[in-house]
Amino acid sequence: AQSVSQHNHHVILSEAASLELGCNYSYGGTVNLFWYVQYPGQHLQLLLKYFSGDPLVKGIKGFEAEFIKSKFSFNLRKPSVQWSDTAEYFCAVNGFGGNKLVFGAGTILRVKS
Amino acid sequence: GAVVSQHPSWVICKSGTSVKIECRSLDFQATTMFWYRQFPKQSLMLMATSNEGSKATYEQGVEKDKFLINHASLTLSTLTVTSAHPEDSSFYICSANRAGVNNEQFFGPGTRLTVL
Repeated sequence: AQSVSQHNHHVILSEAASLELGCNYSYGGTVNLFWYVQYPGQHLQLLLKYFSGDPLVKGIKGFEAEFIKSKFSFNLRKPSVQWSDTAEYFCAVNGFGGNKLVFGAGTILRVKS
Repeated sequence: GAVVSQHPSWVICKSGTSVKIECRSLDFQATTMFWYRQFPKQSLMLMATSNEGSKATYEQGVEKDKFLINHASLTLSTLTVTSAHPEDSSFYICSANRAGVNNEQFFGPGTRLTVL
């Protein structure tokens, strides 16, 4: 069965600091990978996704993620965070041929202004 | 495009009553809809997958007789929590796959259910 682990449940950063949120999954087959963001009081929004091709994926709001197949990882990065990036971030994975998403536990990011 | 709505956004009910939650894809046809449950400070747990016109597929441990799912059309799925109890209090979120956009789900805003 697939599982997704996110390494940090809470992250606190100052504005302009760099961000990296870890995500690892356990599934040996072909995967599709996603990062979603949930701002306070709002619904889940897609930040970025990887299906195939260039393993470095760029998403909205300056976020990017790198798929490293050998490490079963899909870490999310942003060079310089803003106060408005305060939100909860979820990594999600689905296996080839299936539509079901398996979510990580989420990482709450708080950016101090 | 790809907007998913849920109604109601929150509901409070008495123990033993049933509650229906609607999930609609507003500007696209959804081949598949999904229902998730999110406990406070926890991640989303998939409850069931539904396809229009067929029975929903429930995840292990989810009682299908308690959480009734109906997918009447390509734009509407409903989740009915029957004989609700306080432990059913949670945040219920639906999502939908858009036809032709494989493996990307668009999420609704969620419904907060509180059972007294």
